[in-house]
Amino acid sequence: QQQVKQSPQSLIVQKGGISIINCAYENTAFDYFPWYQQFPGKGPALLIAIRPDVSEKKEGRFTISFNKSAKQFSLHIMDSQPGDSATYFCAARRGSTLGRLYFGRGTQLTVWP
Amino acid sequence: DAGVIQSPRHEVTEMGQEVTLRCKPISGHDYLFWYRQTMMRGLELLIYFNNNVPIDDSGMPEDRFSAKMPNASFSTLKIQPSEPRDSAVYFCASMPTGTGGSSIYFGEGSWLTVV
Repeated sequence: QQQVKQSPQSLIVQKGGISIINCAYENTAFDYFPWYQQFPGKGPALLIAIRPDVSEKKEGRFTISFNKSAKQFSLHIMDSQPGDSATYFCAARRGSTLGRLYFGRGTQLTVWP
Repeated sequence: DAGVIQSPRHEVTEMGQEVTLRCKPISGHDYLFWYRQTMMRGLELLIYFNNNVPIDDSGMPEDRFSAKMPNASFSTLKIQPSEPRDSAVYFCASMPTGTGGSSIYFGEGSWLTVV
């Protein structure tokens, strides 16, 4: 059973455009929602994360939007660049199982120059 | 810091052979995780340790898989006997206590192919 559902599976965006990746969850006990970025041949690396007490978090060109009532969160990449081309994973964790992250299936982003 | 170090980076083995993957976590990190990544199933948590003690091994697919952490700086994931369906990228990751999952650092993975 997939605890976190991610869409789309793949995304192609023009350079300078906005990339949007969506995730949904069911377990209301989740209290931490990170996004990871993975380049080919590398391990996933933490990109940005949010907790459910805020609705938005921005770091540079990357923004997480969080909708607690809808149990959804999304990653927005503004002014997308070819160097952003990677696979992005959303994840979720509940405090009672410290350390255990449930990952979405990933979105392969391609930014065309 | 050198980051999480995994070996081997690539391994090709024949079905039925024993495979041992190794991991050195970041010094001072109390949590160690083993993940498996495949196209079909994405990133799956196999097992994780806290202070060298296995906490949750519910993700270990079957008895052919075993993991150990004899000390704070070393862990192994063993598959015996290996099968073609075990072909995947195996990631080790570590995390310091107190960050609640906010700082999980992944290694670069061990690419396993079982033929």
